Amino acid sequence: DQQVKQNSPSLSVQEGRISILNCDYTNSMFDYFLWYKKYPAEGPTFLISISSIKDKNEDGRFTVFLNKSAKHLSLHIVPSQPGDSAVYFCAADTGNQFYFGTGTSLTVIP
Amino acid sequence: GAGVSQSPSNKVTEKGKDVELRCDPISGHTALYWYRQRLGQGLEFLIYFQGNSAPDKSGLPSDRFSAERTGESVSTLTIQRTQQEDSAVYLCASSSYMRTEAFFGQGTRLTVV
Repeated sequence: DQQVKQNSPSLSVQEGRISILNCDYTNSMFDYFLWYKKYPAEGPTFLISISSIKDKNEDGRFTVFLNKSAKHLSLHIVPSQPGDSAVYFCAADTGNQFYFGTGTSLTVIP
Repeated sequence: GAGVSQSPSNKVTEKGKDVELRCDPISGHTALYWYRQRLGQGLEFLIYFQGNSAPDKSGLPSDRFSAERTGESVSTLTIQRTQQEDSAVYLCASSSYMRTEAFFGQGTRLTVV
Protein backbone atom coordinates (compact mmCIF):
# COMPACT_ATOMS: atom_id res chain seq x y z
CA ASP A 1 0.00 0.00 0.00
CA GLN A 2 1.54 3.27 -1.16
CA GLN A 3 1.41 5.66 1.80
CA VAL A 4 2.97 8.54 -0.13
CA LYS A 5 1.55 9.26 -3.56
CA GLN A 6 2.61 11.48 -6.39
CA ASN A 7 -0.22 11.23 -8.87
CA SER A 8 1.38 13.24 -11.66
CA PRO A 9 4.19 11.30 -13.30
CA SER A 10 5.27 14.31 -15.34
CA LEU A 11 4.96 18.09 -15.54
CA SER A 12 6.11 20.64 -18.13
CA VAL A 13 6.51 24.31 -17.33
CA GLN A 14 7.84 27.33 -19.21
CA GLU A 15 11.05 28.88 -17.94
CA GLY A 16 10.31 31.70 -15.52
CA ARG A 17 6.91 30.38 -14.53
CA ILE A 18 5.96 28.58 -11.33
CA SER A 19 6.30 24.80 -11.02
CA ILE A 20 3.98 23.12 -8.53
CA LEU A 21 4.62 19.51 -7.62
CA ASN A 22 2.06 17.72 -5.50
CA CYS A 23 2.17 14.87 -3.04
CA ASP A 24 -0.54 13.18 -0.99
CA TYR A 25 -0.14 10.91 1.99
CA THR A 26 -2.39 8.61 3.95
CA ASN A 27 -0.61 8.07 7.28
CA SER A 28 -1.48 10.69 9.91
CA MET A 29 1.57 9.57 11.91
CA PHE A 30 3.95 11.23 9.45
CA ASP A 31 5.62 14.13 11.24
CA TYR A 32 8.38 15.16 8.85
CA PHE A 33 8.33 15.61 5.10
CA LEU A 34 11.06 16.00 2.52
CA TRP A 35 11.55 16.65 -1.17
CA TYR A 36 14.35 15.11 -3.20
CA LYS A 37 15.62 15.89 -6.66
CA LYS A 38 17.13 13.35 -9.03
CA TYR A 39 19.09 13.94 -12.21
CA PRO A 40 19.68 11.09 -14.67
CA ALA A 41 22.52 8.74 -13.69
CA GLU A 42 22.69 10.23 -10.20
CA GLY A 43 21.16 9.30 -6.87
CA PRO A 44 18.39 11.50 -5.42
CA THR A 45 19.62 14.45 -3.38
CA PHE A 46 17.84 16.22 -0.56
CA LEU A 47 16.20 19.51 -1.52
CA ILE A 48 13.99 20.85 1.26
CA SER A 49 12.04 19.60 4.27
CA ILE A 50 9.22 20.61 6.58
CA SER A 51 8.16 19.55 10.03
CA SER A 52 4.51 18.81 10.73
CA ILE A 53 4.40 21.71 13.19
CA LYS A 54 4.81 24.13 10.27
CA ASP A 55 2.74 24.76 7.18
CA LYS A 56 5.39 26.44 5.05
CA ASN A 57 9.14 26.35 4.61
CA GLU A 58 11.02 28.48 2.12
CA ASP A 59 14.54 28.18 0.76
CA GLY A 60 15.35 30.52 -2.07
CA ARG A 61 13.26 29.63 -5.11
CA PHE A 62 11.86 26.54 -3.37
CA THR A 63 8.90 26.56 -1.00
CA VAL A 64 7.22 23.55 0.52
CA PHE A 65 3.64 23.81 1.77
CA LEU A 66 2.00 21.34 4.12
CA ASN A 67 -1.75 20.99 4.55
CA LYS A 68 -2.17 18.45 7.35
CA SER A 69 -5.95 18.40 7.26
CA ALA A 70 -5.85 17.46 3.58
CA LYS A 71 -2.76 15.26 4.01
CA HIS A 72 -1.24 17.15 1.12
CA LEU A 73 2.24 18.44 0.45
CA SER A 74 3.40 20.62 -2.40
CA LEU A 75 6.67 22.00 -3.70
CA HIS A 76 6.68 25.36 -5.47
CA ILE A 77 9.60 26.41 -7.62
CA VAL A 78 9.57 30.01 -8.74
CA PRO A 79 10.90 31.12 -11.10
CA SER A 80 11.51 27.78 -12.79
CA GLN A 81 14.81 27.33 -14.59
CA PRO A 82 15.90 24.76 -17.20
CA GLY A 83 18.36 23.34 -14.65
CA ASP A 84 15.39 22.42 -12.46
CA SER A 85 14.45 19.73 -14.98
CA ALA A 86 14.71 16.52 -12.97
CA VAL A 87 12.61 13.92 -11.19
CA TYR A 88 11.26 15.10 -7.84
CA PHE A 89 10.39 12.70 -5.03
CA CYS A 90 8.47 13.54 -1.90
CA ALA A 91 9.10 11.56 1.26
CA ALA A 92 7.52 11.30 4.69
CA ASP A 93 8.82 10.06 8.01
CA THR A 94 6.95 8.46 10.88
CA GLY A 95 9.96 8.83 13.16
CA ASN A 96 10.79 5.23 12.40
CA GLN A 97 11.05 4.96 8.61
CA PHE A 98 11.08 7.12 5.50
CA TYR A 99 8.45 6.49 2.83
CA PHE A 100 9.02 7.80 -0.68
CA GLY A 101 6.61 8.70 -3.45
CA THR A 102 7.12 7.37 -6.96
CA GLY A 103 8.31 10.69 -8.37
CA THR A 104 7.27 13.45 -10.78
CA SER A 105 9.42 14.27 -13.79
CA LEU A 106 9.64 18.04 -14.25
CA THR A 107 10.66 19.55 -17.58
CA VAL A 108 11.32 23.27 -17.70
CA ILE A 109 11.09 24.50 -21.26
CA PRO A 110 13.50 27.34 -22.18
CA GLY B 1 34.36 8.77 1.24
CA ALA B 2 31.67 10.39 3.31
CA GLY B 3 28.69 9.41 1.16
CA VAL B 4 26.76 6.24 0.43
CA SER B 5 28.75 4.05 -1.91
CA GLN B 6 27.27 1.45 -4.22
CA SER B 7 29.06 -1.13 -6.32
CA PRO B 8 29.22 -1.99 -9.08
CA SER B 9 27.98 1.16 -10.79
CA ASN B 10 26.95 -0.86 -13.80
CA LYS B 11 26.27 -4.57 -14.19
CA VAL B 12 25.30 -6.49 -17.30
CA THR B 13 24.31 -10.08 -16.69
CA GLU B 14 22.79 -12.91 -18.62
CA LYS B 15 19.27 -14.01 -17.88
CA GLY B 16 19.24 -16.77 -15.29
CA LYS B 17 22.45 -15.72 -13.57
CA ASP B 18 22.65 -14.52 -9.97
CA VAL B 19 23.86 -11.01 -9.13
CA GLU B 20 24.95 -9.36 -5.94
CA LEU B 21 24.77 -5.61 -5.40
CA ARG B 22 26.62 -3.90 -2.60
CA CYS B 23 25.86 -0.82 -0.53
CA ASP B 24 28.25 0.87 1.89
CA PRO B 25 26.18 3.27 4.01
CA ILE B 26 27.46 6.37 5.72
CA SER B 27 29.33 5.36 8.86
CA GLY B 28 27.09 5.39 11.92
CA HIS B 29 23.84 5.36 9.96
CA THR B 30 21.45 2.91 11.55
CA ALA B 31 18.87 2.79 8.77
CA LEU B 32 19.42 1.44 5.27
CA TYR B 33 16.98 1.29 2.37
CA TRP B 34 16.99 -0.43 -1.01
CA TYR B 35 14.89 0.93 -3.86
CA ARG B 36 14.76 0.29 -7.55
CA GLN B 37 13.73 2.44 -10.47
CA ARG B 38 12.87 0.78 -13.74
CA LEU B 39 13.18 2.79 -16.94
CA GLY B 40 10.39 5.35 -17.10
CA GLN B 41 8.99 4.21 -13.77
CA GLY B 42 8.92 5.65 -10.27
CA LEU B 43 10.84 4.71 -7.16
CA GLU B 44 9.91 1.25 -5.88
CA PHE B 45 10.63 0.31 -2.26
CA LEU B 46 12.34 -3.04 -1.78
CA ILE B 47 13.60 -3.47 1.79
CA TYR B 48 14.44 -1.47 4.93
CA PHE B 49 16.93 -2.26 7.69
CA GLN B 50 16.94 -0.44 11.03
CA GLY B 51 19.74 -1.37 13.39
CA ASN B 52 19.33 -4.90 14.68
CA SER B 53 15.56 -4.97 14.20
CA ALA B 54 13.93 -7.40 11.79
CA PRO B 55 14.02 -5.86 8.31
CA ASP B 56 10.91 -4.67 6.51
CA LYS B 57 10.94 -6.94 3.46
CA SER B 58 7.45 -6.00 2.27
CA GLY B 59 8.71 -4.51 -1.01
CA LEU B 60 10.70 -7.46 -2.29
CA PRO B 61 8.95 -8.47 -5.53
CA SER B 62 9.66 -12.21 -5.38
CA ASP B 63 11.60 -14.85 -3.49
CA ARG B 64 14.41 -14.43 -6.00
CA PHE B 65 15.27 -11.23 -4.16
CA SER B 66 17.02 -11.19 -0.81
CA ALA B 67 19.11 -8.74 1.16
CA GLU B 68 21.40 -8.91 4.12
CA ARG B 69 22.95 -6.41 6.44
CA THR B 70 25.24 -7.16 9.34
CA GLY B 71 24.74 -4.67 12.13
CA GLU B 72 25.09 -1.14 10.83
CA SER B 73 27.53 -1.95 8.06
CA VAL B 74 27.49 -3.07 4.46
CA SER B 75 24.36 -4.45 2.84
CA THR B 76 24.13 -6.79 -0.12
CA LEU B 77 21.10 -7.24 -2.34
CA THR B 78 21.06 -10.57 -4.13
CA ILE B 79 18.91 -11.37 -7.13
CA GLN B 80 18.82 -15.02 -8.10
CA ARG B 81 17.99 -16.34 -11.56
CA THR B 82 17.76 -12.82 -12.98
CA GLN B 83 15.00 -12.00 -15.43
CA GLN B 84 14.81 -9.20 -17.97
CA GLU B 85 12.21 -7.39 -15.88
CA ASP B 86 14.85 -7.08 -13.14
CA SER B 87 16.67 -4.53 -15.29
CA ALA B 88 16.62 -1.28 -13.37
CA VAL B 89 18.68 1.15 -11.35
CA TYR B 90 19.00 -0.15 -7.80
CA LEU B 91 19.37 2.64 -5.26
CA CYS B 92 20.55 2.38 -1.69
CA ALA B 93 20.01 5.05 0.97
CA SER B 94 21.00 5.38 4.60
CA SER B 95 19.94 7.65 7.42
CA SER B 96 21.04 8.34 10.94
CA TYR B 97 19.12 7.82 14.15
CA MET B 98 18.16 11.51 13.98
CA ARG B 99 16.62 10.84 10.53
CA THR B 100 16.91 14.41 9.32
CA GLU B 101 17.22 13.06 5.78
CA ALA B 102 18.15 9.92 3.89
CA PHE B 103 21.29 9.99 1.77
CA PHE B 104 21.30 8.09 -1.49
CA GLY B 105 24.09 6.38 -3.35
CA GLN B 106 24.62 6.79 -7.08
CA GLY B 107 22.87 3.54 -7.79
CA THR B 108 23.74 0.34 -9.63
CA ARG B 109 22.40 0.07 -13.16
CA LEU B 110 21.53 -3.57 -13.75
CA THR B 111 20.90 -4.80 -17.26
CA VAL B 112 19.73 -8.37 -17.81
CA VAL B 113 20.25 -9.57 -21.37
